Amino acid sequence: QLQLQESGPGLVKPSETLSLTCTVSGGSISSSYYYWAWIRQPPGKGLEWIGSLYYSGNIHSNPSLKSRVTISVDTSEDQFSLKLSSVTAADTAVYYCARVTTYGSSWYSRYYFDSWGQGTLVTVSS
Amino acid sequence: DIQMTQSPSSLSASVGDRVTITCRASQNIVNYLNWYQQKPGKAPKLLIYAASSLHSGVPSRFSGSGSGTDFTLTISSLQPEDFATYFCQQSYSTPQDSFGQGTKLEIK
Repeated sequence: QLQLQESGPGLVKPSETLSLTCTVSGGSISSSYYYWAWIRQPPGKGLEWIGSLYYSGNIHSNPSLKSRVTISVDTSEDQFSLKLSSVTAADTAVYYCARVTTYGSSWYSRYYFDSWGQGTLVTVSS
Repeated sequence: DIQMTQSPSSLSASVGDRVTITCRASQNIVNYLNWYQQKPGKAPKLLIYAASSLHSGVPSRFSGSGSGTDFTLTISSLQPEDFATYFCQQSYSTPQDSFGQGTKLEIK
């Protein structure tokens, strides 16, 4: 059974860089059928897509965050990572990693997030 | 970007009730619409994809319908474990702003 697990610091200071890793178990991140994604949810609010990646290194990020986001993959460890720079209190959120199943011809059309990590709360505060 | 609007924002219902939640897209998204359920402190779970396809393991009391711009999620007979927040999400285009704002389903 596929499992995803986020890990990283729960507290980050303003202006610093948030770093999280998602470890995939029970399946391979190198599967040709899936993308992988980061999604966040500020406390009491809705869901915001941060970015998606394919194991080969094809990466797409939310334009609203793009200049601050770095997403990478380590296929040897079945892990993918998120770095978000210059954080502010507005970046306080539960961060989820998720698997993306696509049934269309491109990464951005006809897809769904079908398996999620439990989420990790990251608080930005001094 | 495509905007997704859910209604109502919150809803009170009783066990056994039939409940319908609506999601409207700002433009035609064909049937590229997913529904998720989220319980407090938990990650969202996929319920329905492609507007009406039930994800594996999801009880048959959940159903989805619609096409174009208007979609509905129906729970035929509410169970205690169904009280949660429900999100729609379009997959017609890139995922930024793809989620609705959520509908909180509470016990009456």
